[in-house]
Order: sequence, then C-alpha cells, then structure tokens
Amino acid sequence: EAQVTQNPRYLITVTGKKLTVTCSQNMNHEYMSWYRQDPGLGLRQIYYSMNVEVTDKGDVPEGYKVSRKEKRNFPLILESPSPNQTSLYFCASSLLAAGSTDTQYFGPGTRLTVL
Amino acid sequence: AQSVTQLGSHVSVSEGALVLLRCNYSSSVPPYLFWYVQYPNQGLQLLLKYTSAATLVKGINGFEAEFKKSETSFHLTKPSAHMSDAAEYFCAVNRLSNQFYFGTGTSLTVIP
Repeated sequence: EAQVTQNPRYLITVTGKKLTVTCSQNMNHEYMSWYRQDPGLGLRQIYYSMNVEVTDKGDVPEGYKVSRKEKRNFPLILESPSPNQTSLYFCASSLLAAGSTDTQYFGPGTRLTVL
Repeated sequence: AQSVTQLGSHVSVSEGALVLLRCNYSSSVPPYLFWYVQYPNQGLQLLLKYTSAATLVKGINGFEAEFKKSETSFHLTKPSAHMSDAAEYFCAVNRLSNQFYFGTGTSLTVIP
C-alpha cells in the first residue's frame, strides 16, 4: 500500500530533550516536506527536500533540523524542544519537486507536546 | 506575507444544502491552487487542484472549484452537502517555487 508513515504518532517530552520524528514513504517520491499545524494558523511549512541531500527552509524552520540521506526517509529533528513547538506535525511527499502540480500525500500526523 | 486567505473559519450548512468555502490568493502570477480535506484525526488528502488547464476543476466526492483570475479566487463548492462532508478544508497555493502555502482552514459542519 502506498503510504507515508510517521513515528511516533504521539509524543510528550520535556523542554530541552532532543527528539526525532521519523517520516518514511514507499512511493519513490523525490519531494518531501514537513509541516506543523496550529489552531488558527493552518499548516506552515518547516522544511522541504527536493531529493537526497537537498533540503531547504520553509516558512518556520527555527528550532528544527532535517536530513535526507535516503530517498524514502526524511526525519525531523528537534535538538532542544521548547513549549512553543507543541503542535501537530505532518510529513508529506510528492513524486516530483514542488513547482509542478503533483499531489502531496500526507502522513497521519504526530502530536507533540513539550512541557 | 499571507498568500492564501480563507474567509470563514467555521461554516455550517444543512444536509442537502449548497456548500461554499471561500479561498482567495495573493499573487500577480497565477499560481497552482489546491484544496485539501482533513477528516478528524487524519492527515490531509487532495480534493482537487488547478493546473491552468481549465478554470472549472472537478474533484472527488462531488466537489468542484472555479479559478477566477479577476477575483483572485478559488472557491470550493458542492451542490448538496452530506453528513460525511464534515471536515476541515484547506486551500493551498504553490507559486512556481518549491514552497507550499496553506490557508488557515475552514471547519465544515453539516447539520442533519
């Protein structure tokens, strides 16, 4: 089944404790992206990747890191989480790079709470 | 700068009534436009997209949207609402770059 998977689905952590949210897609997509969803703000793009070893900042990259060492994986890293990073996070992928009309396929989301 | 504006964070319609969800974009260059739907506790899925091929775009589940350049709008409509349409709807734009911009979302409630 073609899908985007994220782990964990739910995470409660404390300020300053490094964490990684994994994202994996099995569709051989080139483009992958991370978003955060907050009430009243919609989805905002954190980072995106055009292909392996190619990443770039979205609208709200502060406090986040990403890497794309393999085509299928695009982990989101919070080196020192803070309470303002409490949010619902979505990973998405599409066949080709954005700028085309390709459909983005979204993962099920990761709900992160930072105390 | 906000690239996409969704008017109305909450919309309620009666079952069988017309659904109209509004989206306006800010761009001097006609962008690519998308409508996504998010059902409770799920990720987003594509309803339809505008690719400049046709101004009236038909999507899944009976939804359609019309691109109006003069009004910089891409409103989503459905002639007859079903209970299963209750969800959050997001308009999104890609302005020929690698970034996507989403609206703040409209929560649709369908009243039986």
